Formats: sequence, structure tokens, C-alpha cells
Amino acid sequence: GQNIDQPTEMTATEGAIVQINCTYQTSGFNGLFWYQQHAGEAPTFLSYNVLDGLEEKGRFSSFLSRSKGYSYLLLKELQMKDSASYLCAVWDSNYQLIWGAGTKLIIKP
Amino acid sequence: EADIYQTPRYLVIGTGKKITLECSQTMGHDKMYWYQQDPGMELHLIHYSYGVNSTEKGDLSSESTVSRIRTEHFPLTLESARPSHTSQYLCASGSGVRDTDTQYFGPGTRLTVL
Repeated sequence: GQNIDQPTEMTATEGAIVQINCTYQTSGFNGLFWYQQHAGEAPTFLSYNVLDGLEEKGRFSSFLSRSKGYSYLLLKELQMKDSASYLCAVWDSNYQLIWGAGTKLIIKP
Repeated sequence: EADIYQTPRYLVIGTGKKITLECSQTMGHDKMYWYQQDPGMELHLIHYSYGVNSTEKGDLSSESTVSRIRTEHFPLTLESARPSHTSQYLCASGSGVRDTDTQYFGPGTRLTVL
């Protein structure tokens, strides 16, 4: 079966750095997305990786290793507004988007 | 960022009622999607469309139907609502020429069936 694994919850301190991991087992791979979702709101797009390596976008970076079926989202200089769930999603070989359950990130002052 | 709208934002309704959740986007996107999401859980695809007069069922059997008569409009209908339909319903659209284009989400409809 197809599966995406993310930690359920993480806690970090304002101003610090946090890394949220995502591992996937899917039938093929055509790209990986990271979305941010605040409680009760819709997901918003953060990043897309299709090739191995690191993509940097301001305070957020996303890394992909296709051979390991692994990605991470790195958040720097954490702010209180970064408290949200972070969803990992993978396009499989049939162009179906497989979603993880998300990682709830709690930021403490 | 896509402009995509959903109405109503919140709906409380009794069992057996017929309801239609509206979704519209103003970006001319060909691809549109409906997802169901329970709190703390992953998104489940219930229907999608790759263009006018094209609709497909996703991997979650939700006993709902959709239509795509106009590019900008993708309503979801529940013929007979049940308490098991209580959930958040998210509509999304995407426009890329690649199959793997980014999906942009509307604000969602939170449905409660009593």
C-alpha cells in the first residue's frame, strides 16, 4: 500500500530552528509538496521538490532524497505564527496525490 | 495564489437533507478537486475534474456527486446527508500543464449533520 509517515507533533522555541521529516512509500514518484495548515483553515502551498537536493525559500527550506524516500522541511527563526500543521504530499506514478496526516508544530515563547 | 471560494463556510443540517456545497475559482484553472478532512487526519480525495464535462471519483466513497458544467464552478452534492458526513470539505484547483501542478485550496466548508 501507499504510505506517508510524519511525526504527529513537534514542539520548538521561538527563534529556533526545527526540522520536520517525511518518509514515503508510494507506487512511483512524480514530486513532493509541503503545505502549511493553520487550525480550522485550508492548506497553503509552501514548496515543491521533484529533484534531489535542497530548495530554499526565505525562512523555509525543503530537502528531497528520492533514493531514500525521504524529505524534510526546515523552518528557521521560528515565529509564533509558524504554529500550524505541516502536510507532506507525494504525486505517485498515476498522478494521484497521496497525503500525510501532517505534523502539528507547537511554538513556545 | 489562486482565488478560490467556497460557500457556505459552516453548515449544520439534519439527517436526510439534500445539500450542495459550492466551489468557484476565478483563475481559469482546468483542474479542480474535492477533499474531505477530519481533524488531525490526512486529506482524502473524493472527486476531481480535469476540465468541463470531466468528473472522476477519488479513493474515498462519500456518496456524493459533482458536476463541471463551467470551468470556474465545481459543486458537490450530498443527496441524503448522514451524521457520518460530518467533516470539513476542501475544494482545490490547479492549472499547470504538468500533471503534477500545485493545488490551491479554498477556505473549506465545515459540515455538521445532526
